[in-house]
Amino acid sequence: QVQLQESGPGLVKPSQTLSLTCTVSGGSISSGSYYWNWIRQPAGKGLQWIGRVYTSGSTNYNPSLKSPVTMSVDTSKNQFSLKLSSVTAADTAVYYCARGYCSGGSCPIDYWGQGTLVTVSS
Amino acid sequence: SFDLTQPPSTSVSPGQTASITCSGDKLGDKFACWYQQKPGQSPVLVIYQDNKRPSGIPERFSGSNSGNTATLTISGTQPMDEADYYCQAWDSATGVFGGGTTLTVL
Repeated sequence: QVQLQESGPGLVKPSQTLSLTCTVSGGSISSGSYYWNWIRQPAGKGLQWIGRVYTSGSTNYNPSLKSPVTMSVDTSKNQFSLKLSSVTAADTAVYYCARGYCSGGSCPIDYWGQGTLVTVSS
Repeated sequence: SFDLTQPPSTSVSPGQTASITCSGDKLGDKFACWYQQKPGQSPVLVIYQDNKRPSGIPERFSGSNSGNTATLTISGTQPMDEADYYCQAWDSATGVFGGGTTLTVL
């Protein structure tokens, strides 16, 4: 059973960089045709897809995000990470890491971490 | 940009059928997924590829997708199905979620 666990600071100051890491256990991050997502959810609101990274290093980001995004993978540690620059209070949310896979043209997201709350405040 | 629209809320009596819609331009040309999220929990995939159920998801959950609308149907709704439901699709390489629908079972 694959498990994902987010880690990182719970408080970030405005204009600084939000950095989170997701540790994958129960399987190799490099095995299979998987991609690795970051998704966030402000309190009381809906889900917003931030982006995804493949173990090849290829990335796709949500073009609607105002803060610059960078994602990367460290296969030696079975981890992938998110960096969100120049954050504002609007970036306060629960951040989820999640695994997806593509098959038959469909690309569902099948495993999610428990989520970590990140607050942007001075 | 590609948007997915869901009704904010719906309600159903226990044992009845609940239907939750998700609308988007030519959504039927894409594959839709549905996620269930209970308070304080992470989302769970309940339908993928329009109408397929992951292992462990009860048969009462089904899905369809045609034209501009995808629909999640819960037959014989149980109190444990009370949750927020989100549709999701891919617009090229961008993931898009609907705004979510709160299902109340009363």
